[in-house]
Amino acid sequence: NAGVTQTPKFQVLKTGQSMTLQCAQDMNHEYMSWYRQDPGMGLRLIHYSVGAGITDQGEVPNGYNVSRSTTEDFPLRLLSAAPSQTSVYFCASSTPGHTDTQYFGPGTRLTVL
Amino acid sequence: DAKTTQPTSMDCAEGRAANLPCNHSTISGNEYVYWYRQIHSQGPQYIIHGLKNNETNEMASLIITEDRKSSTLILPHATLRDTAVYYCIVRVGTYKYIFGTGTRLKVLA
Repeated sequence: NAGVTQTPKFQVLKTGQSMTLQCAQDMNHEYMSWYRQDPGMGLRLIHYSVGAGITDQGEVPNGYNVSRSTTEDFPLRLLSAAPSQTSVYFCASSTPGHTDTQYFGPGTRLTVL
Repeated sequence: DAKTTQPTSMDCAEGRAANLPCNHSTISGNEYVYWYRQIHSQGPQYIIHGLKNNETNEMASLIITEDRKSSTLILPHATLRDTAVYYCIVRVGTYKYIFGTGTRLKVLA
């Protein structure tokens, strides 16, 4: 299993540009989440999904859109990038239940100029 | 939502036990405590979790106080590869994790 994969690894955008961060998992996990991590900080939840076709907002959803058309994929869209969105983005997946161990991807480092 | 408080940093000698404390004084009765670690800037890695009872696995032990207001992660024989940021996290509901800023553990040779 590849686990959770994210592309790209690095990205530089100009203010106002849009882009999509890709996340895929091959573990047939129902739950998928997006987090951002700012320098010296912990992770903050952006959006999450409990299954195909179902998404919801986390702590910091503004400026981001998500959709979940398949179990495997959970892309994160930045509609109009802002410097405040400069961060490292992590995708995670898990299965429901009391264990609910999350498996994280390697991250995408995004810089918005 | 429950929040956690951890020391900013700790040092531990290689081969000794590393005891990482966490305060979660506002935790609710059905909220689990999870521990993850992050090595360099990689994605966080699951270590252990618990609700009320102490837990042990191949990586670590988790001691939760009887009132559940604090817990301690124990790495029994720390190695240089255990140098990382350790996050004590409260899970709210089924899928919402609240991360703090974590403890930066440095294992010294």
